[in-house]
Amino acid sequence: GIQVEQSPPDLILQEGANSTLRCNFSDSVNNLQWFHQNPWGQLINLFYIPSGTKQNGRLSATTVATERYSLLYISSSQTTDSGVYFCAVGYNTDKLIFGTGTRLQVFP
Amino acid sequence: DTGVSQDPRHKITKRGQNVTFRCDPISEHNRLYWYRQTLGQGPEFLTYFQNEAQLEKSRLLSNRFSAERPKGSFSTLEIQRTEQGDSAMYLCASSYGTGGLYEQYFGPGTRLTVT
Repeated sequence: GIQVEQSPPDLILQEGANSTLRCNFSDSVNNLQWFHQNPWGQLINLFYIPSGTKQNGRLSATTVATERYSLLYISSSQTTDSGVYFCAVGYNTDKLIFGTGTRLQVFP
Repeated sequence: DTGVSQDPRHKITKRGQNVTFRCDPISEHNRLYWYRQTLGQGPEFLTYFQNEAQLEKSRLLSNRFSAERPKGSFSTLEIQRTEQGDSAMYLCASSYGTGGLYEQYFGPGTRLTVT
């Protein structure tokens, strides 16, 4: 099956800093989502991005499916950005395979 | 729209007992998914429905687990003879689509603790 690796596993930032989270996957995908899991466990949708680039406020994402990676950019980070960021992928199936996540802590 | 809802939010049970969880998808969403998440890991797929039909099941879904979606609306996930290894967060998601792949939206989860 498809393997999903996320890096870095942990990231500590001061408020206002920028960061880039990476998701590598081992095979072709045509389904890719980025999520933010808050401290209460709720998965919040950030992007549905099987290919291309999207932006939403301070967040943007790029997926280069042919090179098997996706990037999530967070600019001007805030303490409310803290939590775990997951990349999830799939190919010709609704089944999403999640990475192990990047734990982000933003300090004031 | 109120989003995906799950009930209960927390469940503590003794080993060997049966438990049942409920998921109400976003209205009009015809696809419904169950995932399980253990501490420090990403969610793992269990099963999914399109309307009433259960279309895919993971090998993680042992014969002690059963999921239903009788009228194509809400779904239930039952675990029989619970074991300590069943302790996890059970997540439900839904999406709308009639072909192809679509964005999944997750509920708040049911945290199960088996003592």
